[in-house]
Amino acid sequence: DSGVTQTPKHLITATGQRVTLRCSPRSGDLSVYWYQQSLDQGLQFLIQYYNGEERAKGNILERFSAQQFPDLHSELNLSSLELGDSALYFCASSGQSRSGNTIYFGEGSWLTVV
Amino acid sequence: AQTVTQSQPEMSVQEAETVTLSCTYDTSESDYYLFWYKQPPSRQMILVIRQEAYKQQNATENRFSVNFQKAAKSFSLKISDSQLGDAAMYFCAYSPRGAQKLVFGQGTRLTINP
Repeated sequence: DSGVTQTPKHLITATGQRVTLRCSPRSGDLSVYWYQQSLDQGLQFLIQYYNGEERAKGNILERFSAQQFPDLHSELNLSSLELGDSALYFCASSGQSRSGNTIYFGEGSWLTVV
Repeated sequence: AQTVTQSQPEMSVQEAETVTLSCTYDTSESDYYLFWYKQPPSRQMILVIRQEAYKQQNATENRFSVNFQKAAKSFSLKISDSQLGDAAMYFCAYSPRGAQKLVFGQGTRLTINP
């Protein structure tokens, strides 16, 4: 158990809809990352938040947005969903600890768009 | 741009034998971290081993060890006494100090033959 919690584990929704994925980082971790893993692509970095502020942005579509709340949990909002958005979405966290730069992943949220 | 290359899409090994997975990376940074993550069929991303670039000693974790060649920008993973539970996709990943994001290789699918 990495200590990173993601909900929901599975989600099926229709094209055009909007969903929210939730992530609770490991206790004490200030950084939260979101990654997307499609079947035919590797792990793509979407976005990072550090203590509530956006720190780095990757290949995140304009239809997607994220935020990190004061209690450090994060949400990834996906809107106007398309079939191609079907993927496994990972949340990960890291923090100031002996583990240094180590990033720990949650179990992922499976999104299927039909 | 920082890139990570895993040149072996698939590898197989007999149970109890040793296998080495290759990884090369490209960066202009001098201080960074390298990781191997394991992704079993459950799709969870599990940290296997971590190497800090400024440390010359190769990291080891039980049956897992790395051969880190900084000048050659090579970071291979050796699995000794392979077990059926080692069957998974293995990803090599790079992160500059500061952990703004992980850059992943394409992955190597490891099969363990009983």
